[in-house]
Amino acid sequence: GENVEQHPSTLSVQEGDSAVIKCTYSDSASNYFPWYKQELGKGPQLIIDIRSNVGEKKDQRIAVTLNKTAKHFSLHITETQPEDSAVYFCAASIWVNRDDKIIFGKGTRLHILP
Amino acid sequence: EAQVTQNPRYLITVTGKKLTVTCSQNMNHEYMSWYRQDPGLGLRQIYYSMNVEVTDKGDVPEGYKVSRKEKRNFPLILESPSPNQTSLYFCASSDRQSRGTEAFFGQGTRLTVV
Repeated sequence: GENVEQHPSTLSVQEGDSAVIKCTYSDSASNYFPWYKQELGKGPQLIIDIRSNVGEKKDQRIAVTLNKTAKHFSLHITETQPEDSAVYFCAASIWVNRDDKIIFGKGTRLHILP
Repeated sequence: EAQVTQNPRYLITVTGKKLTVTCSQNMNHEYMSWYRQDPGLGLRQIYYSMNVEVTDKGDVPEGYKVSRKEKRNFPLILESPSPNQTSLYFCASSDRQSRGTEAFFGQGTRLTVV
């Protein structure tokens, strides 16, 4: 079945440095790739997404890249700040018969060190 | 304000005592779903609903029931809770009229079954 692998499970970076989280997906029909951020005590919240017809998307300090051939996509956070500390989930979505099935990765806990 | 509201936020119960976790959204979304979040396992879908009176099993439906009598509400029912259902639960909704759309999550319900 469909699967999304996410690495690393935990990541610590110095404040101001960059952080990269990587995901791979199994189903070549996947066409939508959202990233969610979960802060402590809250539900996941969408921070950026990319569709299969685009290779890269950027929003201020956050960027996502997609390599359809390799079935691989990544989240890049530059100039990290303390408020970036959270759990991040990647996901891959397949649109089948008006049903948009989303498969989540297992999450990455990002620690920003002062 | 657009939101998904879950209640209760925290619940401790005993094995076998039926319970219901409520979920309500104010965005007129057709699609609603329930997830459980466990350490190292990420977000796993329990049940989902594409519209009123239309529900279907997700990846981990055993031991759970749902109903969708109204568009805004999607309660999760545990008829006979067991300790392995101790988890963090999230309700989510999204507008599935178009491909790949944002899922809005509730704040979560932390359930402990003793």
